[in-house]
Amino acid sequence: EDQVTQSPEALRLQEGESSSLNCSYTVSGLRGLFWYRQDPGKGPEFLFTLYSAGEEKEKERLKATLTKKESFLHITAPKPEDSATYLCAVQPGDDYKLSFGAGTTVTVRA
Amino acid sequence: EAQVTQNPRYLITVTGKKLTVTCSQNMNHEYMSWYRQDPGLGLRQIYYSMNVEVTDKGDVPEGYKVSRKEKRNFPLILESPSPNQTSLYFCASSLTESNYEQYFGPGTRLTVT
Repeated sequence: EDQVTQSPEALRLQEGESSSLNCSYTVSGLRGLFWYRQDPGKGPEFLFTLYSAGEEKEKERLKATLTKKESFLHITAPKPEDSATYLCAVQPGDDYKLSFGAGTTVTVRA
Repeated sequence: EAQVTQNPRYLITVTGKKLTVTCSQNMNHEYMSWYRQDPGLGLRQIYYSMNVEVTDKGDVPEGYKVSRKEKRNFPLILESPSPNQTSLYFCASSLTESNYEQYFGPGTRLTVT
């Protein structure tokens, strides 16, 4: 069974204090690993897709990296508007379903 | 405007009373999916559909049915709702099953008493 574990559950940062979120996964093959952002009361919003170990993607203050067992979402010099829950998801190589982790809730204080 | 719509947004019902939550997308997407979100458990996929001919189970399909008669619509059916199906439900779509820039709907909060 595919498993996705995100840590920490919650992260409180000062504005400008860089940090990283972890997503470890167990899947039979990997078709893709995905990062989403979710604001309170809204549906998730797509951020990145990573397909193979060593791949990196960047968007503004966010950078996602992938190894064979885990992915990191690095937040550089965060701002209060980066406060959200960040979700990681994986799709196995032999299927088209999607398994999500429980998420990391990030709070950035001004 | 490209979007996924869900109706109703809020629903309170009683155990055993059949209900349908509608989902529609206007982006000509092939892949559509339903999720439920519960505190501490994250998003769990209920069913997905790769196109109008193919629908398959996600991780938590028990107690749910889906139908994909048209590309744009993917309703979620609860034939006999139970209290453990109280949850926040999201519909999502993407261009294909391999394109995971999924667009999510606004969510439907369901309470079963």
